[in-house]
Amino acid sequence: KAGVTQTPRYLIKTRGQQVTLSCSPISGHRSVSWYQQTPGQGLQFLFEYFSETQRNKGNFPGRFSGRQFSNSRSEMNVSTLELGDSALYLCASSDDYTGVKEYFGPGTRLTVT
Amino acid sequence: AQSVTQPDIHITVSEGASLELRCNYSYGATPYLFWYVQSPGQGLQLLLKYFSGDTLVQGIKGFEAEFKRSQSSFNLRKPSVHWSDAAEYFCAVANPGSARQLTFGSGTQLTVLP
Repeated sequence: KAGVTQTPRYLIKTRGQQVTLSCSPISGHRSVSWYQQTPGQGLQFLFEYFSETQRNKGNFPGRFSGRQFSNSRSEMNVSTLELGDSALYLCASSDDYTGVKEYFGPGTRLTVT
Repeated sequence: AQSVTQPDIHITVSEGASLELRCNYSYGATPYLFWYVQSPGQGLQLLLKYFSGDTLVQGIKGFEAEFKRSQSSFNLRKPSVHWSDAAEYFCAVANPGSARQLTFGSGTQLTVLP
């Protein structure tokens, strides 16, 4: 069974631009969660989607948004990029029964210059 | 609010030696508890989890963890470390009844000496 895939793996953007990251969950998983990982703040929860609905949201500004499609693929968008948005963005999927995130994707490394 | 503390930023052990990584949590009740491992350039992989029941939990790759309610701890152990265990290890908690939103510790970087 294929794991969680994230595209692109690396991205360089300029401050003020916007960016869209994509996550394809493990086949059969309907829940997708996003996390931001930075050296200073560590791993922080962004949001979780299930059946195209956002169920939980972390403490991030409105510039961070996401969505989920009917095939469970998810995208997250960051508008008006700031230097502090440079991070590794990780996606994880789970079945809905336990919600346990057994595997995360390899992440998208976003660098904002 | 729940929180997780991993007091050791970096630990170095020799191959074949035993390992214990510390994790303390702050939560009003017994949360769901997890240990993850992250190798360079990789995402996180779940090593083991505790929901309830037996306080000694066995995981993958020969790891185990013990939940101690009185100490609010969930320490990870391995009797004999292999060079391939070098990675960063994260402890995480979630509200009981839902593992959907994880709160992570700051991580412990493990170096294994030959």
